[in-house]
Amino acid sequence: DIQMTQSPSSQSASVGDRVTITCRASQSISSYLNWYQQKPGKAPKLLIYDASSLQTGVPSRFSGSGSGTDFTLTISSLQPEDFATYYCQQSYSTPFPTFGQGTKVEIK
Amino acid sequence: EVQLVESGGGLVQPGGSLRLSCTASGFTFSSNAMNWVRQAPGKGLEWVSALAGNSGSTYYADSVKGRFTISRDNSKNTLYLQMNSLRAEDTAVYYCAKGRAYQIAPLDYWGQGTLVTVSS
Repeated sequence: DIQMTQSPSSQSASVGDRVTITCRASQSISSYLNWYQQKPGKAPKLLIYDASSLQTGVPSRFSGSGSGTDFTLTISSLQPEDFATYYCQQSYSTPFPTFGQGTKVEIK
Repeated sequence: EVQLVESGGGLVQPGGSLRLSCTASGFTFSSNAMNWVRQAPGKGLEWVSALAGNSGSTYYADSVKGRFTISRDNSKNTLYLQMNSLRAEDTAVYYCAKGRAYQIAPLDYWGQGTLVTVSS
């Protein structure tokens, strides 16, 4: 099984900050990496797919990069509505996609 | 507009059964792969099961294999998850989610979730 490890597990940041979240795969997954945002009590929302493609309707302050085993989600200027938990997911070993453990972005 | 609405959650005793439903609209249901993903209270996301679009092939996480069955009724645009031999560790919010571009993943649309509680 491919294991996905996110860091940090939580992060405190202020509005306007640049935020970076890292996801590492236990083996190479090419660019088959997706990012989701989840707010409390809500369903997850797809932000980025295939490592760097922005899902329709997602603000351009969100971006993704990486390939192989190391990936990054960047929020260029954190907005109040961005405080949430972010999950990476590999779809290389589809039909058995696995998620990272999540990174909670909190208000500093 | 794509909509996914889950139902069927509730309280069930250990060893019991429950069937979840997910009614879809706004896209060609029969052609798209569908998934179930769960989230235990205060925990992260766990992929549970998938059903491919045209092939109808089914896939399960090891944690539910042999106990859960995913199926669909294309005439009703509805996805199901039959859950048998339920355990306390199956307690979670269960989401149905659509695969993007006819793939199983990534998951581009999600329902609001339905809570399953396994407890005596």
